[in-house]
Amino acid sequence: QVQLVESGGGVVQPGRSLRLSCAASGFTFSSYGMHWVRQAPGKGLEWVAVIWFDESYKQYVDSVKGRFTTSRDNSKNTLYLQMNSLRAEDTAVYYCARDYGGMGTTFDYWGQGTLVTVSS
Amino acid sequence: QSVLTQPPSVSAAPGQKVTISCSGSSSNIGKNYVSWYQQLPGTAPKLLISENNKRPSGIPDRFSGSKSGTSATLGITGLQTGDEADYYCGTWDSSLSAGVFGGGTKLTVL
Repeated sequence: QVQLVESGGGVVQPGRSLRLSCAASGFTFSSYGMHWVRQAPGKGLEWVAVIWFDESYKQYVDSVKGRFTTSRDNSKNTLYLQMNSLRAEDTAVYYCARDYGGMGTTFDYWGQGTLVTVSS
Repeated sequence: QSVLTQPPSVSAAPGQKVTISCSGSSSNIGKNYVSWYQQLPGTAPKLLISENNKRPSGIPDRFSGSKSGTSATLGITGLQTGDEADYYCGTWDSSLSAGVFGGGTKLTVL
């Protein structure tokens, strides 16, 4: 069965960096685009980034452009989100999600999420 | 402020039907497919509807989706207490080149 497991969250001071990982299993990871979606405490979902199956296309929400970078290692079935210059407003649960691969942008499987808290 | 607009809350009695609206624009819903997600308290979101109206395997036919122009609608019939959750619509915005979600709708089954 498809499984996505995020890790790497924690408490970090403003301005510092953190790298999240998403370990994938149960499907051919190298064939699917992947997304990062975050949810601030008590708030709604916010799309963060997408990376195509072969890393040929990456895109980010404006609020993280220039600070966050997503990448993947298809040999390790792992997705990454490098977060630099973190701000208090980046505090959220970060989910990785698989792109359905059909028409449109659809997230068909989600991880359990990892909490990032940016605080001094 | 979310790009897609949903009502903050809806409610109905068990066994009844409810609809949740999602309003967008020509650059998002008007141009791309819409999906719907259910988020039960304390859990990750779960895909309910893809490509405007397709139900993934395991999703009961009590859940349905539709789209017209720049708006989409999620319908839930035969409401159960277990349906109490937050529901989100989502799509791609071709002008922003970004994924976008609605602000979420909290469903209460009275």
